[in-house]
Amino acid sequence: DIVMTQTPLSLSVTPGQPASISCKSSQSLLHSSGKTYLYWYLQKPGQPPQLLIYEVSNRFSGVPDRFSGSGSGTDFTLKISRVEAEDVGVYYCMQSIQLPPYTFGQGTKLEIK
Amino acid sequence: EVQLVESGGGLIQPGGSLRLSCAASGFTVSNNYMSWVRQAPGKGLEWVSVIYSGGTTYYADSVKGRFTISRDSSKNTVYLQMNSLRAEDTAVYYCARNLGDGVWGQGTTVTVSS
Repeated sequence: DIVMTQTPLSLSVTPGQPASISCKSSQSLLHSSGKTYLYWYLQKPGQPPQLLIYEVSNRFSGVPDRFSGSGSGTDFTLKISRVEAEDVGVYYCMQSIQLPPYTFGQGTKLEIK
Repeated sequence: EVQLVESGGGLIQPGGSLRLSCAASGFTVSNNYMSWVRQAPGKGLEWVSVIYSGGTTYYADSVKGRFTISRDSSKNTVYLQMNSLRAEDTAVYYCARNLGDGVWGQGTTVTVSS
């Protein structure tokens, strides 16, 4: 199984400041098609996960441009340029190159200072 | 509107069975791959099962042999038959379309307890 490792596991950020979450996979997520199957989700309290970023760096519809994704191979990063109060929740990375199973990172909890 | 609505959760004794349903609207389930993902209380996300458009199915090791995913095209619904339930199956169960295109249901809660 591909293991997804996120760091840090928790983050406390002052509104307006940047935040960064790392996700490392135990195997490359680069497919022979040229696509890299790495996704970022945000789960707000009491809600299902919502897709933020697909295939490393593509923002999903409606996602503010303060969110950006980058990386390649096995190392990926989600960045929030200026954290807002509505960004609180748990962030997960997920891989879908190898099945079974699809695997998620442990989650990174973002809190506002 | 594209939507997924799960149902069928509840309180069940260990060893019992439940069938979860995921009713889709706004798209055709048989043209997509549909997954079930669960979240135990206070824990992270765990992929459970998938059914591809061609009908191929896969399961997490933790549920293999106990859970069965299926779909009914006439009802545009995906199911998760859960047998031999254990306390560790207690979770919110979400269904999701394609996992990478942002369509998830609100979830249904399964509690396995005596």
